Amino acid sequence: DGGITQSPKYLFRKEGQNVTLSCEQNLNHDAMYWYRQDPGQGLRLIYYSQIVNDFQKGDIAEGYSVSREKKESFPLTVTSAQKNPTAFYLCASSSAGTEYNEQFFGPGTRLTVL
Amino acid sequence: AQTVTQSQPEMSVQEAETVTLSCTYDTSESDYYLFWYKQPPSRQMILVIRQEAYKQQNATENRFSVNFQKAAKSFSLKISDSQLGDAAMYFCALHQTGANNLFFGTGTRLTVIP
Repeated sequence: DGGITQSPKYLFRKEGQNVTLSCEQNLNHDAMYWYRQDPGQGLRLIYYSQIVNDFQKGDIAEGYSVSREKKESFPLTVTSAQKNPTAFYLCASSSAGTEYNEQFFGPGTRLTVL
Repeated sequence: AQTVTQSQPEMSVQEAETVTLSCTYDTSESDYYLFWYKQPPSRQMILVIRQEAYKQQNATENRFSVNFQKAAKSFSLKISDSQLGDAAMYFCALHQTGANNLFFGTGTRLTVIP
């Protein structure tokens, strides 16, 4: 079945540690996205990538980093520079061939800083 | 700048009744798409319905329909014959043609009362 997988589902981090969230898709989509979801704030874009080896900052990129070495994979690293990383993180992908940019979402990762 | 506003943080509806969720948006572009996404307790984002701005006809998907008022920049979602499985957070989202991401509202939590 085609889809997007994210791992782990739950992640705990101690302050000062970097952690990496995994996102993989087998939909053959060119574009991938990372969103952060906080209560009452909807989804906010962290980073996006339209093609391999290229990515762009979104609205709240500070304290995060990404890579796009393969079309299928778009991992997100939450660095120690992110002051308030506890949140729900959603990965999405879309096909570059459509105008309307319908995005398909993964099941998400809940990150908690201890 | 583009914004999406959902002014109803919470709504409730009796099972089998009809409910309407509100969304207003602002964009300077003439070419764009609007979406309603559903996020059930599993937190998986699911596309409910899509509306192209250039189409005057309101989109419909089974029990879900929209009231798209382009001049008023309004995009409400009507859910008919509400079911218990409709209970979820609902997010309105805007995509401007040529842009790279979706802009989300803050969501409306829908409760379905048996």
